[in-house]
Amino acid sequence: DGGITQSPKYLFRKEGQNVTLSCEQNLNHDAMYWYRQDPGQGLRLIYYSQIVNDFQKGDIAEGYSVSREKKESFPLTVTSAQKNPTAFYLCASSIGGVAYGYTFGSGTRLTVV
Amino acid sequence: EDQVTQSPEALRLQEGESSSLNCSYTVSGLRGLFWYRQDPGKGPEFLFTLYSAGEEKEKERLKATLTKKESFLHITAPKPEDSATYLCAVHIQTGANNLFFGTGTRLTVIP
Repeated sequence: DGGITQSPKYLFRKEGQNVTLSCEQNLNHDAMYWYRQDPGQGLRLIYYSQIVNDFQKGDIAEGYSVSREKKESFPLTVTSAQKNPTAFYLCASSIGGVAYGYTFGSGTRLTVV
Repeated sequence: EDQVTQSPEALRLQEGESSSLNCSYTVSGLRGLFWYRQDPGKGPEFLFTLYSAGEEKEKERLKATLTKKESFLHITAPKPEDSATYLCAVHIQTGANNLFFGTGTRLTVIP
């Protein structure tokens, strides 16, 4: 079955650490996205990529980094510069433009300990 | 400034009690409006896309409608398994190639 796989489901980070969230899709979608979800707030865009080796900052990119070396993969690194990283992170993909909407992964819950 | 507002924030219904969720938008040119369902701890699941005012789409007990200012998600005779958060998102004509989300309506259907 085609879909998007996010791992791990739960992640704990110590202060000052960088952590990487994995996102893999086998839908042959061109575009991939990372969103952050906090209670009482809408999903906020962190980064997106429309083709391999190219990506753009979203609304809240500070403290995050991404890479897109393969069409199937779009990992997100939460760096120590991100002061409030505790949140639910969602990866999504779309077949081309966003006109057909997104397919979402199941999310990664990151907690700072 | 582009805005998407969903109301109410939370809604409790008795099983079988029909109601509507609202998504109002102020954007600089709408290319599409999307409805998603999200269960706790999971990723959103696609429900509907609406592209032009007057358009309607249905799926089981759900019906989505679109006007020039807002969209409604009508739930007819809901069941407990309809309990979830319902998210509205817009694709804006002059914006980047991504979706802009509202904060969602948390629906609870009581048996």
